[in-house]
Amino acid sequence: NAGVMQNPRHLVRRRGQEARLRCSPMKGHSHVYWYRQLPEEGLKFMVYLQKENIIDESGMPKERFSAEFPKEGPSILRIQQVVRGDSAAYFCASSRGHGVAGNEQFFGPGTRLTVL
Amino acid sequence: DAKTTQPNSMESNEEEPVHLPCNHSTISGTDYIHWYRQLPSQGPEYVIHGLTSNVNNRMASLAIAEDRKSSTLILHRATLRDAAVYYCILRGEYGNKLVFGAGTILRVKS
Repeated sequence: NAGVMQNPRHLVRRRGQEARLRCSPMKGHSHVYWYRQLPEEGLKFMVYLQKENIIDESGMPKERFSAEFPKEGPSILRIQQVVRGDSAAYFCASSRGHGVAGNEQFFGPGTRLTVL
Repeated sequence: DAKTTQPNSMESNEEEPVHLPCNHSTISGTDYIHWYRQLPSQGPEYVIHGLTSNVNNRMASLAIAEDRKSSTLILHRATLRDAAVYYCILRGEYGNKLVFGAGTILRVKS
């Protein structure tokens, strides 16, 4: 049973370019979460999605960042016009359902974004 | 979100038990206590969670104080592979996002 998959594992972009980060949840999981870990800082929640719906985007920066989880295919975190401050590790997690009971979040290995 | 307090770092010898404390004096009645860990250069990994009673699984044990204002994660025999940052997180019954603090850096000596 494959775990959460993220690609690419490493991504280098120049300032002003777009970054697209992909996350394939575990089989049977329909809930996806994105977290960001800035250098020397803790993990911060960004957004929570269920198939085709954004449930909670309270941690998403107001501009340049967007996320989707289409009916078919992986979840995508998109960063437009990247800046150096976007350099971070981006982690995706998935769960079977919402809430606590039996719905632990399983994390992927992360995508490390470097903006030159 | 209720706040948790953990020591910045702890050190243990290999093959010995490790007790990682967490204070959460403002915990509410419906908050579950979760523990995750993050090994170097990896994503967080679920360890254990509980509400009121002590919990055991193949990875660890969770001891919860009777007043629920503190808890302790117990690794029964630390190995070098247990060196990681351990996060104690409170999560409401219907809560979705995980709120990570600074965690405890556990170093294991051979």
